[in-house]
Amino acid sequence: GQSLEQPSEVTAVEGAIVQINCTYQTSGFYGLSWYQQHDGGAPTFLSYNALDGLEETGRFSSFLSRSDSYGYLLLQELQMKDSASYFCAVGSTDKLIFGTGTRLQVFP
Amino acid sequence: SAVISQKPSRDICQRGTSLTIQCQVDSQVTMMFWYRQQPGQSLTLIATANQGSEATYESGFVIDKFPISRPNLTFSTLTVSNMSPEDSSIYLCSVVRLQGPDTQYFGPGTRLTVL
Repeated sequence: GQSLEQPSEVTAVEGAIVQINCTYQTSGFYGLSWYQQHDGGAPTFLSYNALDGLEETGRFSSFLSRSDSYGYLLLQELQMKDSASYFCAVGSTDKLIFGTGTRLQVFP
Repeated sequence: SAVISQKPSRDICQRGTSLTIQCQVDSQVTMMFWYRQQPGQSLTLIATANQGSEATYESGFVIDKFPISRPNLTFSTLTVSNMSPEDSSIYLCSVVRLQGPDTQYFGPGTRLTVL
């Protein structure tokens, strides 16, 4: 079967750094994506890794290790507005499979 | 990015009835998908909407229950048929503009409650 596992919840304080991990087991793999979803909102695309290594986009970075079937999303200088759910997703030839999701709560 | 609208934004329906959800995109897209999301849960892919042909359904979803149309490159509908309370969920359409499914843009969702 196919599975993408994430921690269910992570908490942190403003200004801190937090890492959200994603381990996957899928039949096909083209890349690892990350999406953010605020309560009541639609998921929005954050980042994409097709190759091993770190991709940086502002305060957010995403890492991929294909040999370990593992990736993470790193959020720096946390802000209250970063409180949301974060989903990793694996792309195969024609669709995305989403992870279980991690709810991030940022406290003042 | 792409601007995506869904109608209705929410609805409350009676058991046994059907509801059709519309998804409209402001520009032509290559791929369109329909997802279901229970509150606090992840996104589950229902099907890929194929232009001019039958949708491709994921395991556990069938055409009789979730008929899908995609008459052109900017519009699709999902019907939830013969509804039961278990169908209460948020239904989202998403689109891809370039080749490959990795960067998807989601519509605002339709919150469905079945009584």
